Formats: sequence, structure tokens, C-alpha cells
Amino acid sequence: LAKTTQPISMDSYEGQEVNITCSHNNIATNDYITWYQQFPSQGPRFIIQGYKTKVTNEVASLFIPADRKSSTLSLPRVSLSDTAVYYCLVGDRVDSSYKLIFGSGTRLLVRP
Amino acid sequence: DTGVSQNPRHKITKRGQNVTFRCDPISEHNRLYWYRQTLGQGPEFLTYFQNEAQLEKSRLLSDRFSAERPKGSFSTLEIQRTEQGDSAMYLCASSSRGDRGFTQYFGPGTRLTVL
Repeated sequence: LAKTTQPISMDSYEGQEVNITCSHNNIATNDYITWYQQFPSQGPRFIIQGYKTKVTNEVASLFIPADRKSSTLSLPRVSLSDTAVYYCLVGDRVDSSYKLIFGSGTRLLVRP
Repeated sequence: DTGVSQNPRHKITKRGQNVTFRCDPISEHNRLYWYRQTLGQGPEFLTYFQNEAQLEKSRLLSDRFSAERPKGSFSTLEIQRTEQGDSAMYLCASSSRGDRGFTQYFGPGTRLTVL
């Protein structure tokens, strides 16, 4: 599975847009990019998944450039409740999906 | 709510004791996974089942660890002769094939403290 690199931590304020970038230089052709969110003492929660260009759902957007060597999770107008750890994962969504490999994630702190 | 459930949520035990955790997956999911998470780290894969068959075990799963999924429904993870290094959050996840492939949905975890 491709190794990912994310910032260790980020700070933001309520109402701002937050962009978390993940590098995955060795991403394979069949790999998808998936983001999970984790609050303290809870299991990770699926946020969004994409393969290329842009994906948007009710909570976030995922931007993937043409070379797919990085991706950016965008959280619009964050609130205090968005304070959490965010994990970027890459892998074949069928063959390797049984073994998610999490890095240390990005700790996002949203301040009032 | 029909999400993944885990019991107990917290377990404190003395070194050398055996402990067992239970995971109830989302009912229609045929895949079930166990992960372990220590403080400040992301979850680490331990093992996974497709229906009742245990298809892969990580090297992290020493001989003291055993997991079962009888009848392909709930699963149990047992740790024998616990050690202080076993203290962690044990997470269960389940999935089935959908339009996103096998997206994993996690339970709340069981936090184990070995004294």
C-alpha cells in the first residue's frame, strides 16, 4: 500500500475553511484515496473517498490533481465539533481494503 | 442505530488474566476486522474474517491472541495472559461490498487497561 504523509497538526477557527493535504507519491493505478475522521475514544468514521478530480459530499470535498500524487481534504466552515484526527489512506478499494493502513493522522484543533 | 457495537467499552484487568471482547457487526456485513490503537497512533490491523473464515492475521497477533467468528455473525477477541503492553483500544469494523468497494465502518472500541 502507498505510504502517505500528512501534517501532524493544524489549527483553525470556527467558520473558516480547512484544507488538509496528503502526499502519496507512490500511489498505484488501482488505488483510491479515502479519508477517515476520529474523535477521542471513538472509532474512525468514513468521510469521503475518491479516485481523481473532485468529489463532494454533505460534509467535505476531496480534491485530487491529475498526477494523483497528493490529495486535499477540504472542510468548509469548520465548527468546534470538527476538532478531531483526520487520516488519509490509499489502497485498492477491493483487493487491499481488508487491511487499512493508518498513519498518525492530522490533529485538527478548531478554536472559537 | 444498527451500527457496529462493541462490548465492553472499558476493561481493566491485572497482568496475567484473560480477557474477551465482543463485536457485533452491521447485520448485512460479511466482512469483520479487528484493529488495535495505542495512544497517539493510528489503528493497526490485527485480523479479518469473511463470514466465519479468518483470512488473515497480522504479525501483531501473537499466540496469546485468538479471534473467532462463529456462524459469521458476531466476533470475539480473546487475549490470554495479558501483559501491560496489551493496553490499548481494540477496534472492530465491518464492511460489505458496495459502490465504494468495501468501506469499513468502525465500532466505538473497547479500551483495555492492564495493571
